[in-house]
Amino acid sequence: QQQVKQSPQSLIVQKGGISIINCAYENTAFDYFPWYQQFPGKGPALLIAIRPDVSEKKEGRFTISFNKSAKQFSLHIMDSQPGDSATYFCAASIGNRDDKIIFGKGTRLHILP
Amino acid sequence: NAGVMQNPRHLVRRRGQEARLRCSPMKGHSHVYWYRQLPEEGLKFMVYLQKENIIDESGMPKERFSAEFPKEGPSILRIQQVVRGDSAAYFCASSPAGGPQYEQYFGPGTRLTVT
Repeated sequence: QQQVKQSPQSLIVQKGGISIINCAYENTAFDYFPWYQQFPGKGPALLIAIRPDVSEKKEGRFTISFNKSAKQFSLHIMDSQPGDSATYFCAASIGNRDDKIIFGKGTRLHILP
Repeated sequence: NAGVMQNPRHLVRRRGQEARLRCSPMKGHSHVYWYRQLPEEGLKFMVYLQKENIIDESGMPKERFSAEFPKEGPSILRIQQVVRGDSAAYFCASSPAGGPQYEQYFGPGTRLTVT
């Protein structure tokens, strides 16, 4: 119920291609879905986030698509660049002040130059 | 404006020793969260603290682990009598009072190795 399932575990994309990472959740009480980017040896950094009242949010080359009925959301990285090579985590939260963030297991993305 | 600071960045302990991990939140932040990350795994929530209060410790093992966030000074995650299974990266995050808790800013982590 509290899990966030993320796939694929790893992804290799050619430079300029589209990287797509998918996540699914069960708990319909979740109302905030952030994505974090983590480079080796660093802490995760908030990349982009969405609420279930919108179906898509775009920030630069990064887009979140949200399907409330299917309880799925995905991250699309357009025109993928070698600098995008990192581990990406989807997450979910109920947004209540005292509730925790639940993270997916991560996707290790490698962009080929 | 310094970000979340954690020290030490790397910590090696022998089995049975104690590990102390420190986290200084961003300036103006009064909420601290600790997460553990195992290789090939996501971040697992451990504990959420405010100044002098533990709000949620549901993710922290009942034995050997404790956390505090005193009125003055950094937050401390303490692991007593460490075992090999405690080897992991431990991340601290902070968020401001009055802001959404999901806007958490993470530190660089402490990598604990138990030999």
